[in-house]
Amino acid sequence: AQSVTQLGSHVSVSEGALVLLRCNYSSSVPPYLFWYVQYPNQGLQLLLKYTTGATLVKGINGFEAEFKKSETSFHLTKPSAHMSDAAEYFCAVSYNTNAGKSTFGDGTTLTVKP
Amino acid sequence: DTEVTQTPKHLVMGMTNKKSLKCEQHMGHRAMYWYKQKAKKPPELMFVYSYEKLSINESVPSRFSPECPNSSLLNLHLHALQPEDSALYLCASSQDGRLGQPQHFGDGTRLSIL
Repeated sequence: AQSVTQLGSHVSVSEGALVLLRCNYSSSVPPYLFWYVQYPNQGLQLLLKYTTGATLVKGINGFEAEFKKSETSFHLTKPSAHMSDAAEYFCAVSYNTNAGKSTFGDGTTLTVKP
Repeated sequence: DTEVTQTPKHLVMGMTNKKSLKCEQHMGHRAMYWYKQKAKKPPELMFVYSYEKLSINESVPSRFSPECPNSSLLNLHLHALQPEDSALYLCASSQDGRLGQPQHFGDGTRLSIL
C-alpha cells in the first residue's frame, strides 16, 4: 500500500537553529509531494510542492524540500528557525493510482525554543 | 487571510439536532473537499466534489450529507450526530482536482456534540 511516514512526531529546535522535518513515502509510481503547515485554530496552508522537474523545491517562509527518489524522501528544511515557525507540519502525497486523493502523514509538531 | 471561508467557526449541537456547515470559495476552483480532523491527527478525507458532482465518498456515515449547490459553495448537513463526531471540519478547494494541484484550506468549523 502506498503511504507516507513522518519520522518524529515532535521536533524541538532553538531559535536560529536548522529545522529538519522528515518525510518518507512508499510508492511504485511517481508521487506528487506536498508540505503543509497548520497553526493553532487554523486550516492547513501549503508550504511547497513537488510535481515534476527540479528536485529542490523552495517554498514560503524560507522553507525548502528536496525530492530524493533513491531514498523515497522529501524532507523539509529551513536554515534558521523563528519563533513563528512553531506549528504542526504535514507531509502529503498523491498518486495517479488513488484517484488523486492526498494521503497525509501523521504530522510533526515543531517547537521553537528562545 | 484564507481564501476559503467556513461558517460557523464553532458549533455546539445535541445528538438530535440538525445543522449545516457552510464553505465558500471565490477562486474559480472546481474541486471542493470535506475533511474531518481530530486533535493532533492528520485530516481525514470525507467527500470530494468535482464540477459540482460528488466524485468521492470515503464511506462516510449517512448522518453526514454533503451538498454542492454551485461551483462556489459546499455544504455539509449534519443530523443525529454522535459524540465521536466532535472534531474540526475542514473544507478545501483545488483548481479542478487533477493530480499535483495543492489544496487551499479554510480555517474549519470546530464541532462539539453534546
